[in-house]
Amino acid sequence: DTGVSQDPRHKITKRGQNVTFRCDPISEHNRLYWYRQTLGQGPEFLTYFQNEAQLEKSRLLSDRFSAERPKGSFSTLEIQRTEQGDSAMYLCASSLQGNFQPQHFGDGTRLSIL
Amino acid sequence: AQKVTQAQTEISVVEKEDVTLDCVYETRDTTYYLFWYKQPPSGELVFLIRRNSFDEQNEISGRYSWNFQKSTSSFNFTITASQVVDSAVYFCAPGGQTGANNLFFGTGTRLTVIP
Repeated sequence: DTGVSQDPRHKITKRGQNVTFRCDPISEHNRLYWYRQTLGQGPEFLTYFQNEAQLEKSRLLSDRFSAERPKGSFSTLEIQRTEQGDSAMYLCASSLQGNFQPQHFGDGTRLSIL
Repeated sequence: AQKVTQAQTEISVVEKEDVTLDCVYETRDTTYYLFWYKQPPSGELVFLIRRNSFDEQNEISGRYSWNFQKSTSSFNFTITASQVVDSAVYFCAPGGQTGANNLFFGTGTRLTVIP
């Protein structure tokens, strides 16, 4: 049983560039979540999908952020015109459908903005 | 909105000691879920337990036990006979408003077990 897979593990980019991260959930999970974690803090919720539908978005998700899950399987998170404050670990999680089923997390993508 | 307070920022114990990690939460929901996650130095968040607000029975899983007190809005986590591998950051996370399914994480408690 493979867990949640995220790619890349680490991304270094210059300010102003666009970046895209990918998440592959556990295969039987139809819910997928994105969180962001900065140093010394707990993860902060960004958005979640049920199948291909994006059902919830945090106000942390500014206009520069967009997430998709086109076929209800893998998801991508894109950040446009990156800023220094975007430096963080971006975590993906997946779960079964149902009220607050346990979310299983990937290893994350660490974004560093130069 | 949900809120969680883990007042202990860092705890150090000597191996084999018992340790309790405190969690106090706030919620306006009458029914809700609470979670604990572990984040070892490798970084991956590991699910430990889910508890719904209907069930106030304490739970034990091996060396881990949880004490849920709805009256005081607390959901404390005890590790018995701690081991070096227990060294990690532990997060208590109430679920968001019913239907939202997102988790609210606090700042966590960093536990260091000294051999």
